[in-house]
Amino acid sequence: DAGVIQSPRHEVTEMGQEVTLRCKPISGHDYLFWYRQTMMRGLELLIYFNNNVPIDDSGMPEDRFSAKMPNASFSTLKIQPSEPRDSAVYFCASSLTTSGGDTGELFFGEGSRLTVL
Amino acid sequence: DAKTTQPTSMDCAEGRAANLPCNHSTISGNEYVYWYRQIHSQGPQYIIHGLKNNETNEMASLIITEDRKSSTLILPHATLRDTAVYYCIVRVAPRYGQNFVFGPGTRLSVLP
Repeated sequence: DAGVIQSPRHEVTEMGQEVTLRCKPISGHDYLFWYRQTMMRGLELLIYFNNNVPIDDSGMPEDRFSAKMPNASFSTLKIQPSEPRDSAVYFCASSLTTSGGDTGELFFGEGSRLTVL
Repeated sequence: DAKTTQPTSMDCAEGRAANLPCNHSTISGNEYVYWYRQIHSQGPQYIIHGLKNNETNEMASLIITEDRKSSTLILPHATLRDTAVYYCIVRVAPRYGQNFVFGPGTRLSVLP
């Protein structure tokens, strides 16, 4: 299996520009998570989906952030307009829940490092 | 709200067992203990999880106290590649939700 695939791996942009980060979860997984990691705040859960439906977006910092999951194999995290404080590594993760079981294991992608100048 | 408490950092000699403690004194009956680690610049990696009983896999062992208020992750023979930040997470089983909350973790340095 190819694992969780994120793109781009690195993005440098200027303040005010739109940024779109992409994620392809592991095939068959029914949960998808977006996390953000900074030195100051560590790993923060932004939003997660179950069967393509957003379940909890309380971690999304503000209206400039939006996430979509149009199908089971693709998700985007968009920042518009971007600001320097959005600079971070953004991780996507997916997991599979089996009925009656507790796998719960998150598989993380390699992350997208965003720098907003 | 942080549900777990871990030491900020630990050192371990290569080849020796690394014992990473975690305090979760407010754990509920339906909450599992998970351990993940993050090697520099990579995404976190699942290690092990458990509910009540001790667990072992090819990576590590998880020892949970009888009252479930604390646990210890054991890497039996630490190598330099085990240098990473280790996260202890408490969460409910998947059928109740999938919210993993990562705290600051323990930075383990394996020394040659």
